Amino acid sequence: GAVVSQHPSRVICKSGTSVKIECRSLDFQATTMFWYRQFPKQSLMLMATSNEGSKATYEQGVEKDKFLINHASLTLSTLTVTSAHPEDSSFYICSASIWTTETQYFGPGTRLLVL
Amino acid sequence: DAKTTQPNSMESNEEEPVHLPCNHSTISGTDYIHWYRQLPSQGPEYVIHGLTSNVNNRMASLAIAEDRKSSTLILHRATLRDAAVYYCILRSRSQGGSEKLVFGKGTKLTVNP
Repeated sequence: GAVVSQHPSRVICKSGTSVKIECRSLDFQATTMFWYRQFPKQSLMLMATSNEGSKATYEQGVEKDKFLINHASLTLSTLTVTSAHPEDSSFYICSASIWTTETQYFGPGTRLLVL
Repeated sequence: DAKTTQPNSMESNEEEPVHLPCNHSTISGTDYIHWYRQLPSQGPEYVIHGLTSNVNNRMASLAIAEDRKSSTLILHRATLRDAAVYYCILRSRSQGGSEKLVFGKGTKLTVNP
């Protein structure tokens, strides 16, 4: 099956710093990538949808200047949390899909802790 | 987005079948029924999807009601590794892989040894 990786798997940072999370599709070219956030004991919340070479589409309530998404190639998307604060601490998960299929392939997630 | 309703939790015994229900009374003709599951501290994993007919794969079976207003995910022999949160999601087929998934709360399945 298709594999999606994320790096890093966990990160601890100080308040006010920026953190970049990478999402890679390892054995397929993803036309679309999605970024989700999940707080403890809650479901996944979609943050944004990105298509290769174009600007990301953010969900309502998600600050695009705070959560910068870059989808520079068909195998890589990055999420940068700028000026992170403790309330940004969460589990960030990406997924990737090919437009011709119905399935989304999820990465293992990145746990962010902001002190 | 068309909504789905699932029980918050279910329990099963190891090696017994498990039937996870999902109601989707507002489903439209273009909606696929998708099931994903999420093991603790991991990203979700695709399980199965279908449109009208029942579907089988190596992981599970999906039984879809004739009026499509409900469906049931069937795990034929539950193992401890099947303990997870199972999400039933409707997804429009109009945009293929670019269509987003909207996750509800899902059903937390506990498997007893």
